[in-house]
Amino acid sequence: EAQVTQNPRYLITVTGKKLTVTCSQNMNHEYMSWYRQDPGLGLRQIYYSMNVEVTDKGDVPEGYKVSRKEKRNFPLILESPSPNQTSLYFCASKRQGVVNEQFFGPGTRLTVL
Amino acid sequence: GESVGLHLPTLSVQEGDNSIINCAYSNSASDYFIWYKQESGKGPQFIIDIRSNMDKRQGQRVTVLLNKTVKHLSLQIAATQPGDSAVYFCAEIYSGGGADGLTFGKGTHLIIQP
Repeated sequence: EAQVTQNPRYLITVTGKKLTVTCSQNMNHEYMSWYRQDPGLGLRQIYYSMNVEVTDKGDVPEGYKVSRKEKRNFPLILESPSPNQTSLYFCASKRQGVVNEQFFGPGTRLTVL
Repeated sequence: GESVGLHLPTLSVQEGDNSIINCAYSNSASDYFIWYKQESGKGPQFIIDIRSNMDKRQGQRVTVLLNKTVKHLSLQIAATQPGDSAVYFCAEIYSGGGADGLTFGKGTHLIIQP
């Protein structure tokens, strides 16, 4: 089944404790992206990657890191999480050059205390 | 700055009626507009899209209308069913705005009354 998977689905952590949210897709997509979703603000892009070893900042990259060592994986790293990073995070992927359709993962709900 | 927004945060309709969800956008240079459906506990799911050179596109039970004159986008769902309950997002793509230039609206929660 073609899908985007994320782990963990739920995470409660404390300020300053490094964490990684994994994202994997099995559709051989070149493009992958991370979004956060907050009430009243909608989906905002954090980082994106157009291919292996190519990453770029989105609209809200502060406090986040990403890596793209393999085509299928695009982990989101929070080196020192803060409470304002409490949010619902979505990973997405699509074929490069296809403008319109992104496939989204199920989401990771992160709470930083 | 450029933004995409929605007129109503919540829309309640009777089962079997048609639903119309509206969206306003401000970037007249956008190339594509997309509607996504997000069910509770799930990620957004693509419903339908429309190019900026079109004014109407139909899918299965859904129709998207684009009025570039007033920068307005709408999603019409025919014969609304309980499974249509979800949050609906519009999004615009401006190819000159980055890798995908995708900007999401804030969402409209569609509630189906039995």
